[in-house]
Amino acid sequence: SQTIHQWPATLVQPVGSPLSLECTVEGTSNPNLYWYRQAAGRGLQLLFYSVGIGQISSEVPQNLSASRPQDRQFILSSKKLLLSDSGFYLCAWSVIGDEIIYGYTFGSGTRLTVV
Amino acid sequence: RKEVEQDPGPFNVPEGATVAFNCTYSNSASQSFFWYRQDCRKEPKLLMSVYSSGNEDGRFTAQLNRASQYISLLIRDSKLSDSATYLCVVNRGNQGGKLIFGQGTELSVKP
Repeated sequence: SQTIHQWPATLVQPVGSPLSLECTVEGTSNPNLYWYRQAAGRGLQLLFYSVGIGQISSEVPQNLSASRPQDRQFILSSKKLLLSDSGFYLCAWSVIGDEIIYGYTFGSGTRLTVV
Repeated sequence: RKEVEQDPGPFNVPEGATVAFNCTYSNSASQSFFWYRQDCRKEPKLLMSVYSSGNEDGRFTAQLNRASQYISLLIRDSKLSDSATYLCVVNRGNQGGKLIFGQGTELSVKP
């Protein structure tokens, strides 16, 4: 069966520090991968999506970047965190072509607090 | 206009009540519709897909009105365990499978 892993679960980082969040998927190949952010009391905002290795699309300009170095690995990064980067970061995956039927499956998320 | 809009909530209801959530979407090309459930400080999980003919899963009924671009979720005989935030989700029709999430409506079921 397919599983998705995200780590760490929680993170407290100072303003100006770098960030690296990792997401991996098991049990499937060539998934679509997504990064979402949920600010406190707000909805999910799509940040990045990827349809293959090295293929990254950004939804909104921001202080973050994403990379997909391997088929089932998706990384969210920042060189210098801002206070406004605080939030709940969620990685999700879907089978190409099946997402319109089955939606996305989310990882357990990383709660980031920038101080 | 937001791509997906939901009732702002929160909804506070007693156990056994029937509660309805409403959602509208802006992209007439959208083809896929879902309701997700998100428990406090957890990831969203798929509750049910929404089909054109409407569909039911136990106490949960989802309806879709394409002409009005409107989706609903009805929960009958609500339980304490139904307390959560309910997210309306629609695909961005002209961009394949990309899913757009509504802000969510919080439900609190009281004894």
